[in-house]
Amino acid sequence: GAVVSQHPSRVICKSGTSVKIECRSLDFQATTMFWYRQFPKQSLMLMATSNEGSKATYEQGVEKDKFLINHASLTLSTLTVTSAHPEDSSFYICSARFGRRDTQYFGPGTRLTVL
Amino acid sequence: AQSVSQHNHHVILSEAASLELGCNYSYGGTVNLFWYVQYPGQHLQLLLKYFSGDPLVKGIKGFEAEFIKSKFSFNLRKPSVQWSDTAEYFCAVNAHLEYSGGGADGLTFGKGTHLIIQP
Repeated sequence: GAVVSQHPSRVICKSGTSVKIECRSLDFQATTMFWYRQFPKQSLMLMATSNEGSKATYEQGVEKDKFLINHASLTLSTLTVTSAHPEDSSFYICSARFGRRDTQYFGPGTRLTVL
Repeated sequence: AQSVSQHNHHVILSEAASLELGCNYSYGGTVNLFWYVQYPGQHLQLLLKYFSGDPLVKGIKGFEAEFIKSKFSFNLRKPSVQWSDTAEYFCAVNAHLEYSGGGADGLTFGKGTHLIIQP
């Protein structure tokens, strides 16, 4: 299957700083990438949908100014958590797909801890 | 909006036992249905999916699932589990968009079922 990578796998930062997480599709062109968030012992919650070259679509309740998403190329999407606070600590997972009927392939996730 | 309910949060079975994990969804329209698996320390992998056609779907590693529209269900089954099936299993849905040829967008996940297979 297709491979999606995320970097970094873990990040610890101080409150008030910004953190950028990268999601890359390694062997296919991803027209759409998705960002999910997973709290401990809970399910994945969709945060936003990102189509290459256009603005991301955010789910209800997700602050677009806090979670900046950029999908500048067909193989890279970035999520920037701006002015991070301890409540932003979570596991962030991206997925990517080529076409609308295609499977979403998931990255390994990024564990963010905000002190 | 869609929602997904997985009834069993923790399941413990012995090797060679049969498995059935329940999944029900709530949505007023047509859906696409998925089961994903997450082995310890690894990322989510697709087990199987249903978009249309035969409601009995066969996936990888001997898993299958049956879509029962009248029950809004998509239960996962395996006739004989192995120790290596120990993992977290997630049911997921997204809206089936007719105008886009059946494609759709982000997934709504259930809370997951932690499956432990005892040797």
